[in-house]
Amino acid sequence: DADVTQTPRNRITKTGKRIMLECSQTKGHDRMYWYRQDPGLGLRLIYYSFDVKDINKGEISDGYSVSRQAQAKFSLSLESAIPNQTALYFCATSDGGVAGGRGYTFGSGTRLTVV
Amino acid sequence: GDSVTQMEGPVTLSEEAFLTINCTYTATGYPSLFWYVQYPGEGLQLLLKATKADDKGSNKGFEATYRKETTSFHLEKGSVQVSDSAVYFCALSSLSNYQLIWGAGTKLIIKP
Repeated sequence: DADVTQTPRNRITKTGKRIMLECSQTKGHDRMYWYRQDPGLGLRLIYYSFDVKDINKGEISDGYSVSRQAQAKFSLSLESAIPNQTALYFCATSDGGVAGGRGYTFGSGTRLTVV
Repeated sequence: GDSVTQMEGPVTLSEEAFLTINCTYTATGYPSLFWYVQYPGEGLQLLLKATKADDKGSNKGFEATYRKETTSFHLEKGSVQVSDSAVYFCALSSLSNYQLIWGAGTKLIIKP
């Protein structure tokens, strides 16, 4: 099994629909992240969580919400999807150690299309 | 605040050519520096890292040296292959909370 699993891998949804992207990890790390990737724009941080009770907004949190159900699970929701939320979404986890630890481990991504 | 600047892509090279992808950073103190690679259709994977000045990270024939005096962490490979075609991201670990600050990514295309 992959260290970080994202579901679904691909999703097409209609404008105005609520959608949830799920992420689970087996690394045992406390820190989890949701990123959005658009062509030519690199990675942009949506939300991050340092532990189950600590959730923080990233640079582009408007229109998104998250839930940290357990150490291993971190879900991203789009309450009312709009076309400009069409993008590739990545979940990542890290141990948050000194000097960046061993870096981040990423999931394979969810390709979301809002029509 | 902390930031990372990478050379714009795409970078197109022929197989067996020498590769350099430039990365410079702005940060206080001595952050750890990383290179990640994203192959088509996949998530990002850690390629190499360096945690202090003059450290050299290396993996799969790629190398990068942490240069404090020039605040740089350029990625190099002596002879690229078609299979190296991917997007490469430079990142630093913020010393305030150990989150990664990302460059915009550089797409590398290797032609046979």
